[in-house]
Amino acid sequence: AQSVTQPDIHITVSEGASLELRCNYSYGATPYLFWYVQSPGQGLQLLLKYFSGDTLVQGIKGFEAEFKRSQSSFNLRKPSVHWSDAAEYFCAVGAGAAGNKLTFGGGTRVLVKP
Amino acid sequence: EAGVTQFPSHSVIEKGQTVTLRCDPISGHDNLYWYRRVMGKEIKFLLHFVKESKQDESGMPNNRFLAERTGGTYSTLKVQPAELEDSGVYFCASSRIRTGGLYNEQFFGPGTRLTVL
Repeated sequence: AQSVTQPDIHITVSEGASLELRCNYSYGATPYLFWYVQSPGQGLQLLLKYFSGDTLVQGIKGFEAEFKRSQSSFNLRKPSVHWSDAAEYFCAVGAGAAGNKLTFGGGTRVLVKP
Repeated sequence: EAGVTQFPSHSVIEKGQTVTLRCDPISGHDNLYWYRRVMGKEIKFLLHFVKESKQDESGMPNNRFLAERTGGTYSTLKVQPAELEDSGVYFCASSRIRTGGLYNEQFFGPGTRLTVL
């Protein structure tokens, strides 16, 4: 069975600093990988996804993620954080024929200091 | 277009009572999913509808949970009787049917926060 681990429960970062959120997954086949963000009072919004091809994936809001098969990782990065990036971030693996069934990590809450 | 909506946003009930959660997917989305996040834990898949049919209900915790999607539009998730451990946030998501081998993004609603006392 697939699983996703996000080792960091909370991260505090200064506005303008870089951000990296870690994600490790366990899945027998080639994974569909996702990063979602949830801002207060909102639903989960897809930041980016990886299915195949280029291992560096660009997403919305200036985020990118890199798939590293050898490390079973899919870490999320942003070069310069804005106060509006304060939210909870979820890494997920999609299983099934269409990657429909998502398995999520526990989430990482990001706090942005002025 | 309107997003996925869920009702109510919050529900507080006593143990043993019944609660029904509703999800209205984005119009035209035949796939509908339910997920749940219990306090302090990860978001977990409950089930997946394709139109009105249950495609995968492997995540439903027990027979106190009943999901329906009559007519293939909105869906309800009933918990009867509710137990303390059912407290959490229930998310609904929808997506189009996959065509041409492409993945179709799941769009999530804001969730229903259920508290069982």
